[in-house]
Amino acid sequence: AQSVSQHNHHVILSEAASLELGCNYSYGGTVNLFWYVQYPGQHLQLLLKYFSGDPLVKGIKGFEAEFIKSKFSFNLRKPSVQWSDTAEYFCAVNNRNQGGKLIFGQGTELSVKP
Amino acid sequence: GAGVSQSPSNKVTEKGKDVELRCDPISGHTALYWYRQRLGQGLEFLIYFQGNSAPDKSGLPSDRFSAERTGESVSTLTIQRTQQEDSAVYLCASSLGVGSHQPQHFGDGTRLSIL
Repeated sequence: AQSVSQHNHHVILSEAASLELGCNYSYGGTVNLFWYVQYPGQHLQLLLKYFSGDPLVKGIKGFEAEFIKSKFSFNLRKPSVQWSDTAEYFCAVNNRNQGGKLIFGQGTELSVKP
Repeated sequence: GAGVSQSPSNKVTEKGKDVELRCDPISGHTALYWYRQRLGQGLEFLIYFQGNSAPDKSGLPSDRFSAERTGESVSTLTIQRTQQEDSAVYLCASSLGVGSHQPQHFGDGTRLSIL
């Protein structure tokens, strides 16, 4: 069965530190990959997505993610975090043969200390 | 409003009661998705609609769960004879069409607590 694994449950960083959140998926077919973010008290929002082409994708607020097909990974990065990045981050995968159905990871809670 | 609207925002009910959760998608969005998020876990897919048909209901956990949609509008998720393990946040999302190229827009969810 298709699954998504996020390595870190809770990450605590100081402002200006670099961020990398891990995401691995298990599915051998063609997939689309997403990162969603949920800020405190808000609904889930799309941060960035990968469908095809350049495996390094840029999203909003300075975030980027790299698709490494050989490692089944789609890690999220940001060179310098801000307090306002405090949120929960979800990696999600879509099997292109299954409509828009998304399979989500368990989420990583990011706390940035000012 | 401009976003996906879900009601109620919170629901507390006794074990064994039936509950109905409502989702109003963004106007013009033909695809509608239901997900469930249990405490400390990621979102689990339940069902999606294309128009008023449900091509994939594979995520519904048992026959106590059902969902329907009127045209390309409101959807209701019904849970019969609720159990404590049904406690979760139920999230609805809509998109312009089915297919992963269409981003899903999420509502704020209904937090369901079964006593």
